Amino acid sequence: EVQLVESGGGLVQPGRSLKLSCLASGFTFSNYGMNWIRQAPGKGLEWVASISSSSSYIYYADTVKGRFTISRDNAKNTLYLQMTSLRSEDTALYYCARHRDSGYCFDYWGQGVMVTVSS
Amino acid sequence: DIQMTQSPASLSASLGETVSIECLASEGISNSLAWYQQKPGKSPQLLIYGASSLQDGVPSRFSGSGSGTQYSLKISGMQPEDEGVYYCQQGYKYLTFGSGTKLEIK
Repeated sequence: EVQLVESGGGLVQPGRSLKLSCLASGFTFSNYGMNWIRQAPGKGLEWVASISSSSSYIYYADTVKGRFTISRDNAKNTLYLQMTSLRSEDTALYYCARHRDSGYCFDYWGQGVMVTVSS
Repeated sequence: DIQMTQSPASLSASLGETVSIECLASEGISNSLAWYQQKPGKSPQLLIYGASSLQDGVPSRFSGSGSGTQYSLKISGMQPEDEGVYYCQQGYKYLTFGSGTKLEIK
């Protein structure tokens, strides 16, 4: 069974940093591109960042470019999101999601981890 | 950036009714279009990819169609478990979601 379990969320002050993790199991992690997608409270879905299976290709939404860094450790089956210079508008539930074979949509999602940016 | 405009923003349907949700892309996306369902308090679930291909395990009452800039999701025979918010998503240039359509039972 495919499982994606996020961790590392919490309450953080504006301007500070936070690192999210996503532990994958039930599939060969190193074969799949992975993503972070977020959802502000009561709002829709926003793609944040993507990383290819071997970390060769990395993409970011304009809203986080230069502040967030996506990375992965295939030996540990873990995806990361390092978030710096956090803003109140980064407050959201952050999902880890696997790219489907086709490469542009997401066939498995984690349960999400909440990040709240507030003083 | 490619903008995805979903309509309607909300709708209510009776049990057994056929429902359609539309998604308009700001430019052609060559069928790089997916649909998701999100139930309250849950993660989104992939329903359709490639505009019309049904994801494994998704009931056959769900179908997708469209081309170019216009796409739609159809539910043939509304069921109670179909309540939720539906999102379209394009993957032609980067990745963007529509704003969502809230579907309720009438």
